[in-house]
Amino acid sequence: KAGVTQTPRYLIKTRGQQVTLSCSPISGHRSVSWYQQTPGQGLQFLFEYFSETQRNKGNFPGRFSGRQFSNSRSEMNVSTLELGDSALYLCASSLDLGSNYGYTFGSGTRLTVV
Amino acid sequence: QKEVEQNSGPLSVPEGAIASLNCTYSDRGSQSFFWYRQYSGKSPELIMFIYSNGDKEDGRFTAQLNKASQYVSLLIRDSQPSDSATYLCATDSEGLVFGAGTILRVKS
Repeated sequence: KAGVTQTPRYLIKTRGQQVTLSCSPISGHRSVSWYQQTPGQGLQFLFEYFSETQRNKGNFPGRFSGRQFSNSRSEMNVSTLELGDSALYLCASSLDLGSNYGYTFGSGTRLTVV
Repeated sequence: QKEVEQNSGPLSVPEGAIASLNCTYSDRGSQSFFWYRQYSGKSPELIMFIYSNGDKEDGRFTAQLNKASQYVSLLIRDSQPSDSATYLCATDSEGLVFGAGTILRVKS
């Protein structure tokens, strides 16, 4: 059974650019959530999608956005990149909305903003 | 602000010993709790989740939850060098809220 797939694995972008990251959940999983991990702030929740709708949102500026497609695949977008956006971005999928099913993480996308 | 607190460690234990990892949380309304293991350079891996007060055992791992004290713990019996990693405690509160993690080092 394939796990959560994130692409690309690594990205280098210039300040001011925008970036799109992709996440394919485990087959059958309908909930996809995104997290940012940095050495200083740890793992922080960005947002969660279920049935193509954003269900929850963390405390991040509007430059961070996402969407989910009908096949449950999800993308997140960061516009007007800042140096502080350099981080590991992790996607997690769950069978359904809510915590009763646990969340499985992908390998992440390492974003470096220069 | 909903918070999850963990001692950053490192916690060092000899091989074969019991490692005890602890976590406290601020939101009394939190219902579910997760323990993730993260090896350096890898993504978090779910070890256990617990919803009810008391103990939950899975192999060498036991999660303990005390909602009155707002306290969650993870016991690892017969610790192995391969258990050396960062252990992250999280609660589900409209998205997972993670602690900073505890570094565990198991010495052979």
